[in-house]
Amino acid sequence: GAVVSQHPSWVICKSGTSVKIECRSLDFQATTMFWYRQFPKQSLMLMATSNEGSKATYEQGVEKDKFLINHASLTLSTLTVTSAHPEDSSFYICSAAERETILTDTQYFGPGTRLTVL
Amino acid sequence: AQTVTQSQPEMSVQEAETVTLSCTYDTSESDYYLFWYKQPPSRQMILVIRQEAYKQQNATENRFSVNFQKAAKSFSLKISDSQLGDAAMYFCAYRYNQGGKLIFGQGTELSVKP
Repeated sequence: GAVVSQHPSWVICKSGTSVKIECRSLDFQATTMFWYRQFPKQSLMLMATSNEGSKATYEQGVEKDKFLINHASLTLSTLTVTSAHPEDSSFYICSAAERETILTDTQYFGPGTRLTVL
Repeated sequence: AQTVTQSQPEMSVQEAETVTLSCTYDTSESDYYLFWYKQPPSRQMILVIRQEAYKQQNATENRFSVNFQKAAKSFSLKISDSQLGDAAMYFCAYRYNQGGKLIFGQGTELSVKP
């Protein structure tokens, strides 16, 4: 099956710094990528949908200036947490889908990135 | 707005026994997809089974099967012959037919007793 990678898998940063998380589709072209946030023992909450070459669509309540998403190529989307604070500490998961199959096929999930802000 | 509800925060099953996880959803759409995902301690999301709303036949994948009741908006997962490796968080999810967004339920943590 299709593989999605995320890098880094775990990052610790100081409050006020910015952190970039990469999501890559390794063996398919992902025209659409989704970014989720998951707190311990809770469900996945969709943050935004990114389509290659266009601006991301953010869910209600998600600060677009704080969580910058760039989907510059068909295999790479990045999430940058700007001026991170302890409350941004969470598990961030991306998923990817091909244009031709987005409505009919499975989304492929990355392994997630654990962000800890000190 | 579409919602997905899993009313069982935790479930437990004896190894080799059968367990059923519940899921209900709310939507005004007639065409959509439903999924069950498994999230083990590694936190990698794994697709267990999926169901197209237009199909009346319940989906089956080896030991996993669903009971899809469209009118009742119910989508339960049955795990037969439970194995220790089935222990995980299970999420029910609904997907719009437009845009591909997934909406997840709250999750059910399944433990398997040897």
